[in-house]
Amino acid sequence: QVQLAESGAEVTKPGASVKISCKTSGFAFSSYSIHWLRQAPGQRPEWVGWLSALNGKTQFSRHFLGRVAISADAVATTVYLELTGLTSADTAVYFCARQATYSDHYFDSWGRGALVIVSS
Amino acid sequence: DIQMTQSPSTLSASVGDRITITCRANQSISRWLAWYQQKPGEGPKLLIHKASRLQDGVPSRFSGSESGTVFTLTISSLQPDDFATYYCQQYNDYPLTFGQGTRLDI
Repeated sequence: QVQLAESGAEVTKPGASVKISCKTSGFAFSSYSIHWLRQAPGQRPEWVGWLSALNGKTQFSRHFLGRVAISADAVATTVYLELTGLTSADTAVYFCARQATYSDHYFDSWGRGALVIVSS
Repeated sequence: DIQMTQSPSTLSASVGDRITITCRANQSISRWLAWYQQKPGEGPKLLIHKASRLQDGVPSRFSGSESGTVFTLTISSLQPDDFATYYCQQYNDYPLTFGQGTRLDI
């Protein structure tokens, strides 16, 4: 079945960078787009950006521009999120999610999330 | 950014109750709205897309409707497994945005 699994929890310091992975399985990786979202404690999900595994196109929320990169390893069917210049406001659970169809940007499968804590 | 406002923020109900959650967009999003259920420690689960289309495998007690920029999620007869937090999400435009959530308590 469709599965997405983020890498483990990270504890890091202000100003540092973090790179999280999302291992996918159970579907044709190159046919889908994978999104990254995050959710701070007690808050609504916040969209970060997405990557098309079909053509490598990426798009990011303007709230993260200049600090975020999303990449993929098609052989490993894994997508990566890198976020730089971390502050305490970046403390959140980071989710990867599969876009349900080519044209409709909602998510039919999510991972369980990776907790990132930014603290001095 | 398109603002999504859900109400209520918290809802207390009992097994067997019929409940409705509302999500309002601050501009037209056509029918490009999804509803999700989230339980602690898990990623959200898709319930409904395109305002009223039930995702495969989701029980028929869940339904969605829309009237202009107001969208509703209805659970016709609450089951113990339904006590969770519910979010709406618009996908009419980027950035994709979510409502603030409705926590459904016993």
